[in-house]
Amino acid sequence: RKEVEQDPGPFNVPEGATVAFNCTYSNSASQSFFWYRQDCRKEPKLLMSVYSSGNEDGRFTAQLNRASQYISLLIRDSKLSDSATYLCVVNPWGYNKLIFGAGTRLAVHP
Amino acid sequence: DAGVTQSPTHLIKTRGQQVTLRCSPKSGHDTVSWYQQALGQGPQFIFQYYEEEERQRGNFPDRFSGHQFPNYSSELNVNALLLGDSALYLCASTPQGVGVETQYFGPGTRLLVL
Repeated sequence: RKEVEQDPGPFNVPEGATVAFNCTYSNSASQSFFWYRQDCRKEPKLLMSVYSSGNEDGRFTAQLNRASQYISLLIRDSKLSDSATYLCVVNPWGYNKLIFGAGTRLAVHP
Repeated sequence: DAGVTQSPTHLIKTRGQQVTLRCSPKSGHDTVSWYQQALGQGPQFIFQYYEEEERQRGNFPDRFSGHQFPNYSSELNVNALLLGDSALYLCASTPQGVGVETQYFGPGTRLLVL
């Protein structure tokens, strides 16, 4: 079983749509959680950290459920520029490294 | 302020050869991590260097080795290349004592093994 699993995608949505990505992780001792965005042939960039209380950044909302070991990302009012691969990322307790899911590709069309 | 830089940007090698990839961390960062990203997959942690020593290592064979220099720059060496080593190799730097959420990635080196 992979340490971090994501919806395989791709998600093809029209502009203005709301799209949700889900992710599960296997190591209950994980301490930090993130969503990264990766554009085609570019490096991953931090989109947002994820907290148990939930956090929002503009059109983006991230949620963490430690009991279910589940992480989500909601994108409202999708823009063409949101087209990218979204990576669910976990930092295990006591380790200064990131464990990435395989990513979910999002394509927003006019 | 230059971010993380990597060289070369692209590289083509043949099976059995050796390769060295280079990384210069972001200014003020002293910890360097290396990741391998195969096509269609997320990045996988190879190892991390701090104070010129390998501090943590992922599940990669000994063919993968590294080095960190006094100026904090780093090299990744891969010996006896296999076709499966074809991937994007990413370097990430972090300031010491700060969490991984401040890990900045370089643009990567795209390695093709024929």
